[in-house]
Amino acid sequence: AQSVTQPDIHITVSEGASLELRCNYSYGATPYLFWYVQSPGQGLQLLLKYFSGDTLVQGIKGFEAEFKRSQSSFNLRKPSVHWSDAAEYFCAVDGGFKTIFGAGTRLFVKA
Amino acid sequence: DADVTQTPRNRITKTGKRIMLECSQTKGHDRMYWYRQDPGLGLRLIYYSFDVKDINKGEISDGYSVSRQAQAKFSLSLESAIPNQTALYFCATSESGTNKFFGPGTRLTVL
Repeated sequence: AQSVTQPDIHITVSEGASLELRCNYSYGATPYLFWYVQSPGQGLQLLLKYFSGDTLVQGIKGFEAEFKRSQSSFNLRKPSVHWSDAAEYFCAVDGGFKTIFGAGTRLFVKA
Repeated sequence: DADVTQTPRNRITKTGKRIMLECSQTKGHDRMYWYRQDPGLGLRLIYYSFDVKDINKGEISDGYSVSRQAQAKFSLSLESAIPNQTALYFCATSESGTNKFFGPGTRLTVL
């Protein structure tokens, strides 16, 4: 069955520290992979996407993610977190018309 | 101006009432979607439409119906609202095989 797992319900990091949010997926073929961010009271905004090619993709706001086929993972990283990064982050896979979302990871940033 | 708009943004209603949530987009996309978001469950697809004449059920369509009035408009109806339909509802659009653009969401509470 197709699925997306985000193992961490919430993560707290200090401002300026590095961040890694985990995402594992189960899919029959190589899917399209996405990370979205949802700020409070807002809809989801695309951070980055992987379709093919270079497995390290750069996104907006200084985020990057690496596709590892052998581990079925697409982890999101940022070298230095800012207080404005506090939000909920969703990993998603898409095989065409149907997008499957993970349950989300809420990021808290402490001063 | 926002590319994907949803009305209303917040709604409180009573069990048994009929409710319509509306979505409009200016992106010119053919594909439109309705999702509901519940804490810890991510986003789940209710209905999707690839064009005005194409409507499809998603994974949780029971208790919901939709209408695609035009390329730019996609409405979601709850014919007889029940408390477990209390959730955050998102409309989204996309072009074929690409990322989705989300509206700001409608918070619906059914008492």
